[in-house]
Amino acid sequence: DVKVTQSSRYLVKRTGEKVFLECVQDMDHENMFWYRQDPGLGLRLIYFSYDVKMKEKGDIPEGYSVSREKKERFSLILESASTNQTSMYLCASSPSGRGPPYEQYFGPGTRLTVT
Amino acid sequence: AQSVTQLGSHVSVSEGALVLLRCNYSSSVPPYLFWYVQYPNQGLQLLLKYTTGATLVKGINGFEAEFKKSETSFHLTKPSAHMSDAAEYFCAVSSYNQGGKLIFGQGTELSVKP
Repeated sequence: DVKVTQSSRYLVKRTGEKVFLECVQDMDHENMFWYRQDPGLGLRLIYFSYDVKMKEKGDIPEGYSVSREKKERFSLILESASTNQTSMYLCASSPSGRGPPYEQYFGPGTRLTVT
Repeated sequence: AQSVTQLGSHVSVSEGALVLLRCNYSSSVPPYLFWYVQYPNQGLQLLLKYTTGATLVKGINGFEAEFKKSETSFHLTKPSAHMSDAAEYFCAVSSYNQGGKLIFGQGTELSVKP
């Protein structure tokens, strides 16, 4: 079974702190994704990566950055956390995106609260 | 550009009743369509997907969906609801050579009454 793990289920941080959210997948997938999930807005793509050290902005990249130094690990960084970044963050992975889209496999999510 | 609209943010049914969750998409190219389910405090799990071929797609847990190109719809159904079906459901669209990206709808929360 594909497994996507996220470093924390719940996280509470203060405004202005630098926050790291880690995601690891064990299926050698090329693609990895970071979403935020808010009530009534569904899932919105923050960043995705299609290979090591490769990344592309999604729909809402402002205030976030990412790092992918190894194929299995994709990190989301909040450089200076703000209260409007309080949300559920979901990581996902999938095989190569060339051609037809494959199913994405999701981690359990990290519920981040910024106070 | 592609988009997805899920009609109804909350749907409530009685146990044993038909479940119908609506999804309409917009796409200028042939779409690939997905339904995911999210149980409380969990990530998303694939229910079913439409790629090409048969327009009636069967998924896990007794769910199915029908791709109707003329109506740009991909509604999710289950003949008889079970208490364990209570969850949030997301419809998503993609297309060929989109790098594997999915566009998600806003989600529909399904409640099942005993």
